[in-house]
Amino acid sequence: DAGVIQSPRHEVTEMGQEVTLRCKPISGHDYLFWYRQTMMRGLELLIYFNNNVPIDDSGMPEDRFSAKMPNASFSTLKIQPSEPRDSAVYFCASSFWRNYGYTFGSGTRLTVV
Amino acid sequence: AQKVTQAQTEISVVEKEDVTLDCVYETRDTTYYLFWYKQPPSGELVFLIRRNSFDEQNEISGRYSWNFQKSTSSFNFTITASQVVDSAVYFCALSEGGSEKLVFGKGTKLTVNP
Repeated sequence: DAGVIQSPRHEVTEMGQEVTLRCKPISGHDYLFWYRQTMMRGLELLIYFNNNVPIDDSGMPEDRFSAKMPNASFSTLKIQPSEPRDSAVYFCASSFWRNYGYTFGSGTRLTVV
Repeated sequence: AQKVTQAQTEISVVEKEDVTLDCVYETRDTTYYLFWYKQPPSGELVFLIRRNSFDEQNEISGRYSWNFQKSTSSFNFTITASQVVDSAVYFCALSEGGSEKLVFGKGTKLTVNP
């Protein structure tokens, strides 16, 4: 299995631009999670899906953030418009059973200048 | 609400020393799950162990061991005979039985010097 695949690995964009992060979970995993990691706040859960349905988006910081999961093998996290304070590493993770533990992707390092 | 505290921000040891990383958790649930993850300098998050609240047996895996004590709400991680490759940030995490959310501690940065 290729694991959880995220793209791009690095993204540098200018303030105000739209940014789209992509994630392919492990096949057969019913849960997909988006986390953000910063020095100040550590690892924060942004949103998670179960069987492609968003279950909890209470961690999404603002309306500028949106996430979709159109099918079981693909999810996106979009930031529009981006701001410098969005600079962070964004991780996607998937799990086949609740509380089993996640498998994380390699992350996308986002820099907004 | 669930919470994980890793009081040690950074630890530095010399190779072959034993080191223990502390983790204290808070939850009101009787069913919960505890985890440890490793984040090496390359940045990925690597799953190390999962423990449920009904299993207090300590676990050993090679040089790694975990001590789970419900009485003190702790789930500590010990590396025996540390190696340079153990240098990483280690995260303790908690999920409650009724939730899929995994809440992480702030992490402990371990540096093993040759």
